[in-house]
Amino acid sequence: DAKTTQPNSMESNEEEPVHLPCNHSTISGTDYIHWYRQLPSQGPEYVIHGLTSNVNNRMASLAIAEDRKSSTLILHRATLRDAAVYYCILRDTGYSTLTFGKGTMLLVSP
Amino acid sequence: NAGVTQTPKFRVLKTGQSMTLLCAQDMNHEYMYWYRQDPGMGLRLIHYSVGEGTTAKGEVPDGYNVSRLKKQNFLLGLESAAPSQTSVYFCASIRDLMNTEAFFGQGTRLTVV
Repeated sequence: DAKTTQPNSMESNEEEPVHLPCNHSTISGTDYIHWYRQLPSQGPEYVIHGLTSNVNNRMASLAIAEDRKSSTLILHRATLRDAAVYYCILRDTGYSTLTFGKGTMLLVSP
Repeated sequence: NAGVTQTPKFRVLKTGQSMTLLCAQDMNHEYMYWYRQDPGMGLRLIHYSVGEGTTAKGEVPDGYNVSRLKKQNFLLGLESAAPSQTSVYFCASIRDLMNTEAFFGQGTRLTVV
């Protein structure tokens, strides 16, 4: 699996936007970019994924660089419930496994 | 629709004891996975299955065995538990390979003393 690089931690204030970066300079043309998050004492949950174009859903937006070597997960208005570890993962449709790194711990202050 | 259910949620074992962790999914998913997560670490893949009757080794398979006799269930066995297997275990399932989302269970916290 191609590797991703994320900051260990980030801080935000409640109701402010949060931009979580991910570098993936060795991404291949068939790798999709997935984001998962893990709330304290829970299993990971899917957030969003994309291939080339920016994606939006009810939870977040995913901005993908034109060269696809980096991406940014955007939480438009952080809430205390968004405090979690966020994982950026590359996954090729030809591979059946999902490989997790250490992720970014997002701290949200009131 | 329960999603992915793990049994038990907590367990304390003595070194050398055996146990089986059960993962059940009711979404008719083909692919199922067992991960372990140690403090401050990401998830590491133990074993996985690409369909009923199949299993494959992941990143850290030693000391574990798995079986997938029914599509909806994926069992993780520890034949002789060791303190190094103290961890939180997560099960996950994916419908197919077309980049659908993975669904995770709530985890099993296992302590081996």
